[in-house]
Amino acid sequence: RKEVEQDPGPFNVPEGATVAFNCTYSNSASQSFFWYRQDCRKEPKLLMSVYSSGNEDGRFTAQLNRASQYISLLIRDSKLSDSATYLCVVNPTGRRALTFGSGTRLQVQP
Amino acid sequence: DTGVSQDPRHKITKRGQNVTFRCDPISEHNRLYWYRQTLGQGPEFLTYFQNEAQLEKSRLLSDRFSAERPKGSFSTLEIQRTEQGDSAMYLCASSDSGGMDYGYTFGSGTRLTVV
Repeated sequence: RKEVEQDPGPFNVPEGATVAFNCTYSNSASQSFFWYRQDCRKEPKLLMSVYSSGNEDGRFTAQLNRASQYISLLIRDSKLSDSATYLCVVNPTGRRALTFGSGTRLQVQP
Repeated sequence: DTGVSQDPRHKITKRGQNVTFRCDPISEHNRLYWYRQTLGQGPEFLTYFQNEAQLEKSRLLSDRFSAERPKGSFSTLEIQRTEQGDSAMYLCASSDSGGMDYGYTFGSGTRLTVV
């Protein structure tokens, strides 16, 4: 079983739609969580951290469910510029580096 | 400081040749990470340095791979006797001591093609 699992997509949504991605992680003692965004043939960039209380940054909302070991990302009012791959990232206990999921591809269409 | 720099951006090499990549982290960051990414996959951890000490290596890092960070600043990743399976994007990232809690910053990567 992979440490971090994501639906690869692609999610094809029209502009203005709301879209949600989930991610599950296997290490129940994982301590910190992130969403990164990666544009085609570019490096990953930190989108937002995910806190136990949930957090929101503009159109983006991240939630953490420790009991079920999943993380979600909600994007409201999708823009064409949101088209990218979204990587779920976990800090597993006892490891010295972050573990990345395979990513979920989002394509926002006009 | 312009962020994490990697050189070269692209490298095409023949199978069996040796290649070396360089990473210059953000200057105040003491932690440096190498990852490898293939098409359709997320970045996979290769190795981690804290200052000049290499503290962790992934099982992905075969004995053909070696990484150094001699003065705790820039790092190099060398692949000896390259194979077609080594074709990938090699990403370097750096962070300060809060990297595992606050995320880290990646460079633009070196795209390696082995022909």
